Amino acid sequence: AQKITQTQPGMFVQEKEAVTLDCTYDTSDPSYGLFWYKQPSSGEMIFLIYQGSYDQQNATEGRYSLNFQKARKSANLVISASQLGDSAMYFCAMRELLNRDDKIIFGKGTRLHILP
Amino acid sequence: ETGVTQSPTHLIKTRGQQVTLRCSSQSGHNTVSWYQQALGQGPQFIFQYYREEENGRGNFPPRFSGLQFPNYSSELNVNALELDDSALYLCASSPKGQLNTEAFFGQGTRLTVV
Repeated sequence: AQKITQTQPGMFVQEKEAVTLDCTYDTSDPSYGLFWYKQPSSGEMIFLIYQGSYDQQNATEGRYSLNFQKARKSANLVISASQLGDSAMYFCAMRELLNRDDKIIFGKGTRLHILP
Repeated sequence: ETGVTQSPTHLIKTRGQQVTLRCSSQSGHNTVSWYQQALGQGPQFIFQYYREEENGRGNFPPRFSGLQFPNYSSELNVNALELDDSALYLCASSPKGQLNTEAFFGQGTRLTVV
């Protein structure tokens, strides 16, 4: 079973608009961390934001915020005031504490296109 | 820049050959993980090295092997290359056991097997 599900293969958004990228996850581990990474065409994974399973408040980092709904196992990324440079692949990912190898499990990604 | 560097950036190999990819980790990070990212997919965990030993492995055959050195840098070796091994190989470093710390990724090595 997929542990991270991103249902939007691609999205087109007008510059300066807000955009929400969807992510649902599946785990039986009570302790886990959720991440969003941005991958431009160069290939490097750029960390955007982190949400811990016990965090009471939604994480925010500049224009990025994470809409964490624990009961629904949802961790959507919200980008406010989108910019042309936001065009890239975006990956939702999870790390489970019980996994001794600390591996990160990634979704299949969403390709975001920002239109001028 | 994250401080994680990978070499080479691009590589073309022939089916059946062997390849070695290299990664130097972020300063202070003692754990290195390798991921394979096929075109249009998310990265898939290959294995992790901690204290110079393999600390976990994904669903990859034994012809994928690795090493970690005392300075925490790492190598990924792939023997008997197959066409399906063509992918972006990403190395990530992180401190061991810190759930809330992101992994820092290198820029990747793009391997093409012909």
